[in-house]
Amino acid sequence: YVVTQPPSVSVAPGKTASIACGGNNIGSRAVHWYQQKSGRAPLLVIYLDSDRPSGIPERFSGSNSGNTATLTISSVEAGDEADYYCLVWDRDSDHWVFGGGTKLTVL
Amino acid sequence: DVQLLESGGGLVKSGGSLRLSCAASGFTFSMSGLSWVRQAPGKGLEWLSSISSGYEIFYADSVKGRFTISRDDSNNTLYLQLSSLRAEDTATYYCAKRMGKYFEYWGQGTQVTVSS
Repeated sequence: YVVTQPPSVSVAPGKTASIACGGNNIGSRAVHWYQQKSGRAPLLVIYLDSDRPSGIPERFSGSNSGNTATLTISSVEAGDEADYYCLVWDRDSDHWVFGGGTKLTVL
Repeated sequence: DVQLLESGGGLVKSGGSLRLSCAASGFTFSMSGLSWVRQAPGKGLEWLSSISSGYEIFYADSVKGRFTISRDDSNNTLYLQLSSLRAEDTATYYCAKRMGKYFEYWGQGTQVTVSS
């Protein structure tokens, strides 16, 4: 199973950023999202398509339907600049698959 | 608080071996699924292997037959034995605690460098 992400997304502070994760009928699978700041370990920001772990701001939200899952960050701040990865479990192979990652740049 | 602390990384020659450890605390280790994920320099995340609380094991095709995952529930430690190492195995290796089918908590990583 393959999931694809755009290499980069740019957004002005205060605006909304949308990061896509595409895959064949990905809407039938649970998608999880990670934020990774430079030199740091990944941090879970969205799990099971749209749930937020404790401590993650409400500005982070997720959706998943059809062939695209989306991570949305509203009122983007400079501190949101990071790489974002989607993760899917492939039930056919019992393997986990990461998207290639999207670099979010805050202009 | 959940803590995962990797160790055992270092510089090794091509064809060599290394054992990584991940010491865990702050949760019921024996009842948790665990995984290893790596990240080559400047590249994305790559899932390597997972072991369930029932010792069910899965490997990515890229490491199957060369890497071995194991766990010691008596010492709350996860291991990854790396063998037949290649230059392309150079990466930061992370251990992660699973929750269902996602990785809930991550360690800070340990660096493995394979020289030719």
